Amino acid sequence: EVQLVESGGGLVKPGGSLRLSCVASGFTFRDYTMNWVRQAPGKGLEWISSISDGSSYIQYGDSVKGRITVSRDDAENSLYLQMDSLTDDDTAVYFCARSDSAHIFYYCYMDVWGKGTTVIVSS
Amino acid sequence: DIKMTQSPSTLSASVGDRITITCRASQSIDNWLAWYQQKPGKAPKLLIFKASSLENRVPSRFAGAGSGTEFTLTITSLQPDDFATYHCQQFKSYPWTFGQGTKVDIK
Repeated sequence: EVQLVESGGGLVKPGGSLRLSCVASGFTFRDYTMNWVRQAPGKGLEWISSISDGSSYIQYGDSVKGRITVSRDDAENSLYLQMDSLTDDDTAVYFCARSDSAHIFYYCYMDVWGKGTTVIVSS
Repeated sequence: DIKMTQSPSTLSASVGDRITITCRASQSIDNWLAWYQQKPGKAPKLLIFKASSLENRVPSRFAGAGSGTEFTLTITSLQPDDFATYHCQQFKSYPWTFGQGTKVDIK
């Protein structure tokens, strides 16, 4: 079964940092672009980052650019999101999601999603 | 950035109804559009990709249409399991962007 499991969320103070993880199983992780999408309470979905297979291509959303770093460890089938200088606006559920086809970075949609991990930024 | 606008924001309907949700892009995205269903506290689920292609194991009562800047998601006969929020997303170019979502609730 194809599965994504996020972890690492929690309560953090404004200005703090957090590292989220996503462990993949059931498919050849190293071949796929992986993505992070978040959802603030009561709000819509917001794409925040994508990283290609081999980490050759990386994109960030404008709202997080300069404050987050996406990375992957293919040996561990893991995707990471390092988040720094957190603000209240970063409070959200963070989902990792797989792009639909191997070895593509553009023109791909997200076909498998994890259940998400919750980040709360509050003093 | 490409702005995606869904309408309506909320739709009240009954089991058996035919409903249509519209998604408009601020510029042409050809057919690079996906639709997702999301239930409270759950992850989004892919329904439709490339505007009109049905994802595996998604019931045929779901149908996507459109190209360019205007797209629709139609549910031909609403079932109890379909009460949820629906999101459109463009994947023509980064940054990928979503519509604000359409909540389908029980009339």
